[in-house]
Amino acid sequence: GAGVSQSPSNKVTEKGKDVELRCDPISGHTALYWYRQRLGQGLEFLIYFQGNSAPDKSGLPSDRFSAERTGESVSTLTIQRTQQEDSAVYLCASSLESIRGLDNSPLHFGNGTRLTVT
Amino acid sequence: DQQVKQNSPSLSVQEGRISILNCDYTNSMFDYFLWYKKYPAEGPTFLISISSIKDKNEDGRFTVFLNKSAKHLSLHIVPSQPGDSAVYFCAAAGSARQLTFGSGTQLTVLP
Repeated sequence: GAGVSQSPSNKVTEKGKDVELRCDPISGHTALYWYRQRLGQGLEFLIYFQGNSAPDKSGLPSDRFSAERTGESVSTLTIQRTQQEDSAVYLCASSLESIRGLDNSPLHFGNGTRLTVT
Repeated sequence: DQQVKQNSPSLSVQEGRISILNCDYTNSMFDYFLWYKKYPAEGPTFLISISSIKDKNEDGRFTVFLNKSAKHLSLHIVPSQPGDSAVYFCAAAGSARQLTFGSGTQLTVLP
């Protein structure tokens, strides 16, 4: 497919378990972003990758959250010891370059992973 | 502290009429603004953007207006169509390489 792909689309987990969310960006897109949307709220920035490095991790809410990107392609977001407040839709987005690039290089979002922590 | 605010969680408009969605921001360093549209169970899709050097940008039925002195932008959709029913997110960017989003406005266009 030509778009950003995220898996799984839905994940239900018990409190205290670890989860791993996957994002396959559009081929050739060097910039990759993770956002989350909790119920009734806006999109909350988590982390940004340029290539395989993460120059901005400022949005990660706690040290239970980590992310990596390999081969300037796939990224995984890992949440350890999940808590109920982690329940949200986790959205991945990619762009040709950072959003400070061309006006016609907006973020392209995947459909998200809906995480429910019980 | 929300730097991008969409104070109307919902808006209903009759088909064919104008829809006006509003957004306010507090960070004077923001210089690039975007609107995204989101259908249920899908990711947001880019709609239109505006740089702070402009006060208006138009693309078909969609026009974004920027009032820098008021730190306010709006999205106008004319004429509104039932397929426009979605959640609309306003987003802003400054020197940081990430977008700050508002909480969204649910637009319902009534046939």
